[in-house]
Amino acid sequence: NAGVTQTPKFQVLKTGQSMTLQCAQDMNHNSMYWYRQDPGMGLRLIYYSASEGTTDKGEVPNGYNVSRLNKREFSLRLESAAPSQTSVYFCVSSGTGTDTQYFGPGTRLTVL
Amino acid sequence: QKEVEQNSGPLSVPEGAIASLNCTYSDRGSQSFFWYRQYSGKSPELIMFIYSNGDKEDGRFTAQLNKASQYVSLLIRDSQPSDSATYLCAVTPFGNQFYFGTGTSLTVIP
Repeated sequence: NAGVTQTPKFQVLKTGQSMTLQCAQDMNHNSMYWYRQDPGMGLRLIYYSASEGTTDKGEVPNGYNVSRLNKREFSLRLESAAPSQTSVYFCVSSGTGTDTQYFGPGTRLTVL
Repeated sequence: QKEVEQNSGPLSVPEGAIASLNCTYSDRGSQSFFWYRQYSGKSPELIMFIYSNGDKEDGRFTAQLNKASQYVSLLIRDSQPSDSATYLCAVTPFGNQFYFGTGTSLTVIP
C-alpha cells in the first residue's frame, strides 16, 4: 500500500516547455486534488476531481489542465510553462469531501 | 479577504510548555476543520479534525472549535522539539473544496 505517489519528484523546465505531473493512489478514493504551495501563499487548489470522469476548477486553474484517467490516476499538465508556475505541487486523495486527505510527497518544479 | 487566516509566526515555546495555534475563517457555512503538520521539505500530514463546537482531544493535541466566533485552535501540550514544524489550518466551506491557511511556524526550544 503506497498511498499517494507522484512523479517526478523534481523537475526543471524552460519557459514555454510542457510537462505532465503524474499522480496515483491505491486507496480506492473517489476524490483527488492538485494543489500548489508557495511561500507566503499557502496551499492553493488548482483542480479537483470529485469522482472518476469529473473535474472542476479550483482557486488557481489558469495555465493548467487535468485528466482523471481512471479512479486511481489524476494528472496535471502544464502546456506552456511560465516562471510563475515555479512551485511545489501536491496531489491529494480523499475518501469523501470531508474525510482525511492524504498528500503525495510533492513535485518541486522550477521554471527558468 | 482570505478564507482562512493564520498568524504566520514564528511561534517559539520552551520544551514542555503548551503551544497554542489559532485560525479564523470567513465562511459561516463551513462544516469541517482540519489541522495539518508539515515538516520542512515534506508534505502535510493530518493530525486533527473537528466538526462540532467544543474541544476534541487526541493525545497531546486538542482542537477547539467555536463556530459563532469562526475560530478554531490547536493546543499542543507538553511540547517536544519534534513538534517543531509548520501547522496548517484547513476549512471546507462547501462540497469537496478545502481552503488552507498559510500556516504557523512553531519552534520548540529544548
